[in-house]
Order: sequence, then C-alpha cells, then structure tokens
Amino acid sequence: AQSVSQHNHHVILSEAASLELGCNYSYGGTVNLFWYVQYPGQHLQLLLKYFSGDPLVKGIKGFEAEFIKSKFSFNLRKPSVQWSDTAEYFCAVNSSYNTDKLIFGTGTRLQVFP
Amino acid sequence: ETGVTQTPRHLVMGMTNKKSLKCEQHLGHNAMYWYKQSAKKPLELMFVYSLEERVENNSVPSRFSPECPNSSHLFLHLHTLQPEDSALYLCASSQDPAGNTGELFFGEGSRLTVL
Repeated sequence: AQSVSQHNHHVILSEAASLELGCNYSYGGTVNLFWYVQYPGQHLQLLLKYFSGDPLVKGIKGFEAEFIKSKFSFNLRKPSVQWSDTAEYFCAVNSSYNTDKLIFGTGTRLQVFP
Repeated sequence: ETGVTQTPRHLVMGMTNKKSLKCEQHLGHNAMYWYKQSAKKPLELMFVYSLEERVENNSVPSRFSPECPNSSHLFLHLHTLQPEDSALYLCASSQDPAGNTGELFFGEGSRLTVL
C-alpha cells in the first residue's frame, strides 16, 4: 500500500534561515508528488507538484522540491524563510494510474520567528 | 476564497444525534472527496465521488454516510458517532481524477466535536 513519511513533525527557524523538510514515500510504480500548505486558519492549498520531467520543481513563494527516484524522496526546500511561511506543510502522493487516491503524510508544523 | 465551501464550520453533537455536513464546489469539477484530519495523523481519505458515483470507500464505518446528488454538492451524514470521530472534516474537489494528476482543491473544513 502507498504511504508517505514526513520525519520532521515540528520545525522552528529564525527568519532568513534555510529550510528543508523531508518526505519519503512508499510505492513502486509511477507517482505524482505534491506539497500542500495550510496557513493558520486557512484551507489546504497546493504549493508545488511533480508529474514528470525535470526532477527539480519550483513552486510559489520561493519554494522548490527535488524528486530523487532512487531514494523515494521529494524534499521541500527554501533558501531563506520568512515569518509568513509559518504554516503546516503536507507531502502527498498518488499513483499515475489511480489519481483518485491522494495519500498524505502527517504534516510538518513550521514556525518561523522574526 | 477557495471555490469549495463547507458548512457548518463548527458542529458539536451528542452520540445519539443525527447531523449532516455539506460541501459545495463552484469550480466546475467532476470529482469530490471527504477527508478526515486528526491531530498527529495523516489526512485520511474517506470517500471519493467521480461524476456523482462513489469510486472509493476506505473502509469507513457505516455511521458515516456520504451523498452526492450532483457534481457540485457533497454531503456527509452523521449518526451515532463516537468521541473518537471528533476531527476536522475536509471536503475537496478535482477536475477529472481519471485524466489529470489528482490535484485537489480543499474547503476550510468542518470542525466536529462529539460529546
């Protein structure tokens, strides 16, 4: 069965620090990969996604993620975080052959202090 | 504004009550979903409807009963719930699950508390 692991449950950073959030998935076939973000009091929204092609994907607000197939990983990065990046970040995966079923990780809560 | 509206935003109910959650999407999508979000757990997919037909039911207890009367509306009927059912219930929609990459658009959720 598909599963997604996010090993960092809570990350605390100062503004301008660099960010990397880990995401590993378990699935042997072709996958689509997503990062969603949930700002305090707001709905979940898509940050970036990977379907195929260039494994380095750029999203909104300066975020990027790299798909490393050999490691089953899709880590999220940002070189310099801002206070407004404080949110919960969710990694998600679905199969290219069954896009109905989007499987999420447990989420990582990021707190950025000025 | 997300294009996916959920009501009520908060609901408190006793274990013997019957209530319903409502979701409406204004995005012209063909698929709708119910997810359960509990603290420290992954989002759990509960139900998927595509073109108003249920295509996925992740072994959800029968005390949760979905209804999708058309492609814009989705309900979750609740009866004889347990305290452990307290959670944030999220509705989502997508364009066409069979043809795209499954990108979901979420509502803000209905926070359910079962006493």
